[in-house]
Amino acid sequence: NAGVMQNPRHLVRRRGQEARLRCSPMKGHSHVYWYRQLPEEGLKFMVYLQKENIIDESGMPKERFSAEFPKEGPSILRIQQVVRGDSAAYFCASSQGQGQFKNIQYFGAGTRLSVL
Amino acid sequence: QQQVKQSPQSLIVQKGGISIINCAYENTAFDYFPWYQQFPGKGPALLIAIRPDVSEKKEGRFTISFNKSAKQFSLHIMDSQPGDSATYFCAAAYTGGGNKLTFGTGTQLKVEL
Repeated sequence: NAGVMQNPRHLVRRRGQEARLRCSPMKGHSHVYWYRQLPEEGLKFMVYLQKENIIDESGMPKERFSAEFPKEGPSILRIQQVVRGDSAAYFCASSQGQGQFKNIQYFGAGTRLSVL
Repeated sequence: QQQVKQSPQSLIVQKGGISIINCAYENTAFDYFPWYQQFPGKGPALLIAIRPDVSEKKEGRFTISFNKSAKQFSLHIMDSQPGDSATYFCAAAYTGGGNKLTFGTGTQLKVEL
């Protein structure tokens, strides 16, 4: 029973490049959340998605950031034209969305993005 | 109104002692309060969670105490072990609003021999 899978684990980009972070939720989970963790800080909510729908993107920066969760395949967090301030750990979490354990979010190991 | 304040920032406890981490929230709509444990280089892992209709929940050596009127909750780790050394995050969510988690800033716990 694989957990939440994120890849890559580490990603290095130069300023101005694009970063694509992938997240495969736990089997049977249809709800995906993305969080960002800056060094020495807690996690900050970015976006909440269900299959083919963005439910809440209130934590997403207005520009350069986008997310999707297609019908088939992993959820993608895309950062265009990266800047040094985007350097952080990005975590994906998934939940069932229904049933007794609907509120429990299980986290992946994260993608550590470094912008040079 | 969305903040969750966590203290202390760091904590050193002797093996066998009790570790206590405190959190306070502002948003009275929050109705789900989990605690996560994170080791370096890893993702957060759910430890224990509580809802506001219960004042205390215990699972093994971990206990959450919840004070709804004070809008505070705390994690107690009994008989702390070196393997408990990690960063602990409290969080809160409004389950009727998408369940997005608002995290505290974390507590670095070190359990010394």
